[in-house]
Amino acid sequence: AQKVTQAQTEISVVEKEDVTLDCVYETRDTTYYLFWYKQPPSGELVFLIRRNSFDEQNEISGRYSWNFQKSTSSFNFTITASQVVDSAVYFCALSDLPQGGSEKLVFGKGTKLTVNP
Amino acid sequence: NAGVTQTPKFQVLKTGQSMTLQCAQDMNHEYMSWYRQDPGMGLRLIHYSVGAGITDQGEVPNGYNVSRSTTEDFPLRLLSAAPSQTSVYFCASSYQGPTWGYGYTFGSGTRLTVV
Repeated sequence: AQKVTQAQTEISVVEKEDVTLDCVYETRDTTYYLFWYKQPPSGELVFLIRRNSFDEQNEISGRYSWNFQKSTSSFNFTITASQVVDSAVYFCALSDLPQGGSEKLVFGKGTKLTVNP
Repeated sequence: NAGVTQTPKFQVLKTGQSMTLQCAQDMNHEYMSWYRQDPGMGLRLIHYSVGAGITDQGEVPNGYNVSRSTTEDFPLRLLSAAPSQTSVYFCASSYQGPTWGYGYTFGSGTRLTVV
């Protein structure tokens, strides 16, 4: 069965600190997709990144970066020089290939990040 | 292009009442799904559909019904609301294309309280 573990329930940092959110996943599939979503206090889900299992290159987007390591089944997310606006709940999610046409997202329980001024 | 539209945004129900949460997408996506979000639990899949006329159960389907008569709409029905169904509900749609798994789009959510 698929599973996503975000062991950090809550993290609190001071503005300008770097912070890494951990994500460990379990799947028996060789082809799968990993995602990060941001949920700000307003409640919507904001897509941040999608990564397929064949692409282990690290990704950088501005202050955000992602480290995908298949050897440790991890897909960690780092925010550099954090800002108050980064305060949100962050979800890691996993999706396998359609099995007979189906698809499902399995979410971790989320990490609540608070960035204090 | 509205994306995924959920209505209502907020709803209070009494135990035993029934209601339908609406979800519509205008992107011609094949796949639609419903998730519920509870504190400390992340999002859990309730039901999903791979196309008009086809639905299946997710992780937490009990107490909910769905149907998919058109590509655009995927309503979620609560037949007899219970306090345990107090949650935030998200509808999502996606497509299977050359870059499968890319097109996940979520609605803005429906906050449901059952008293």
